[in-house]
Amino acid sequence: DQQVKQNSPSLSVQEGRISILNCDYTNSMFDYFLWYKKYPAEGPTFLISISSIKDKNEDGRFTVFLNKSAKHLSLHIVPSQPGDSAVYFCAASSLTGNQFYFGTGTSLTVIP
Amino acid sequence: DAMVIQNPRYQVTQFGKPVTLSCSQTLNHNVMYWYQQKSSQAPKLLFHYYDKDFNNEADTPDNFQSRRPNTSFCFLDIRSPGLGDAAMYLCATSPQTSGSGTQYFGPGTRLLVL
Repeated sequence: DQQVKQNSPSLSVQEGRISILNCDYTNSMFDYFLWYKKYPAEGPTFLISISSIKDKNEDGRFTVFLNKSAKHLSLHIVPSQPGDSAVYFCAASSLTGNQFYFGTGTSLTVIP
Repeated sequence: DAMVIQNPRYQVTQFGKPVTLSCSQTLNHNVMYWYQQKSSQAPKLLFHYYDKDFNNEADTPDNFQSRRPNTSFCFLDIRSPGLGDAAMYLCATSPQTSGSGTQYFGPGTRLLVL
């Protein structure tokens, strides 16, 4: 049973525009969420996180929004750059737990 | 640079022939994880070590075993690989097991079973 879902396998965006990647989760016990970025032939690298006490966390061009009632989070990248082209994984955990549950990833292509 | 290293990057084995994948870290993290990721699927946790304490996921097949001889190294042993075990295997580390700990991933080993 997939507890973290990324329903869009791919997304294409023009350079300079906003990229919005979405993630849904089913487990109400999750209270910590992360986004990872993965380039081909490399492992996932941590991008940004948010805990359930917040509804927004911003780091430069990257902002993560959390809607607990809808069990939904999104990653906004603005402005998008060609170097942002990668696969983005959403992950969730509970602060008292010991594992992360990953989504299937969304492949972002930023077109120059 | 502190990092997570996986060797080899690509491994080909024969059906039923035991294979070992290795992971090492220079981060001195307490926790090491092994994930299996099949094409277009989410990474799936197989097991993790907190120091020497081994934690197996309930649905990890017995065919998969792990060893952690010291803080820096962790091995994944597949005793009798089947065709369904062909996947990317990701090693990750974390300073702590709590859900707020960021995981640091290696580049992965892609396993092909012939």
